Amino acid sequence: DVKVTQSSRYLVKRTGEKVFLECVQDMDHENMFWYRQDPGLGLRLIYFSYDVKMKEKGDIPEGYSVSREKKERFSLILESASTNQTSMYLCASTRQGARYSPLHFGNGTRLTVT
Amino acid sequence: AQKITQTQPGMFVQEKEAVTLDCTYDTSDPSYGLFWYKQPSSGEMIFLIYQGSYDQQNATEGRYSLNFQKARKSANLVISASQLGDSAMYFCAMREGPPNNRKLIWGLGTSLAVNP
Repeated sequence: DVKVTQSSRYLVKRTGEKVFLECVQDMDHENMFWYRQDPGLGLRLIYFSYDVKMKEKGDIPEGYSVSREKKERFSLILESASTNQTSMYLCASTRQGARYSPLHFGNGTRLTVT
Repeated sequence: AQKITQTQPGMFVQEKEAVTLDCTYDTSDPSYGLFWYKQPSSGEMIFLIYQGSYDQQNATEGRYSLNFQKARKSANLVISASQLGDSAMYFCAMREGPPNNRKLIWGLGTSLAVNP
């Protein structure tokens, strides 16, 4: 069974702090994603990566960066946290090349920026 | 314009009855895929079922089936014999273009409550 693990379930950070959200998957998936989920706005893609050291911007990359140094790990970085980045963050992974390949999600990290 | 529309913000169903959750989509690409996910209160998104635009038959996975009406651009999820554990948010999502397109377009979800 695919497992996507997010390092923290809940995080509370102060405005201006640099925040790291970590995600690890154990199924050798090529693609990894970071979404944020807000009530009334649904899931919005922040960044995704299709290979080690490769990344592409999603729909809302401003204020975020990512790092993928190893295939199994994809980190989301909030360079200077702001209150409008308070949200649920979901990491997902998927295999490349299948007829269809559903996203496998972690349990989410609920981040509060005060 | 919304590419994925889920018109029912909230639904109630009696345990053991069937329920249909609506999803309409908008795309001009002949190749696309439609996904349904479940998100219980624990937060994890769980993949339920997939329908490809070229699939001849409606997808089924256990108690889940997809009522795919291509001409109407609808892909409604049918849950048969509802269980209390089906209470959750349900999201419809679309991949436009071929399977190697990595981005999904998401609906805003439908909250389902199963009553005992």
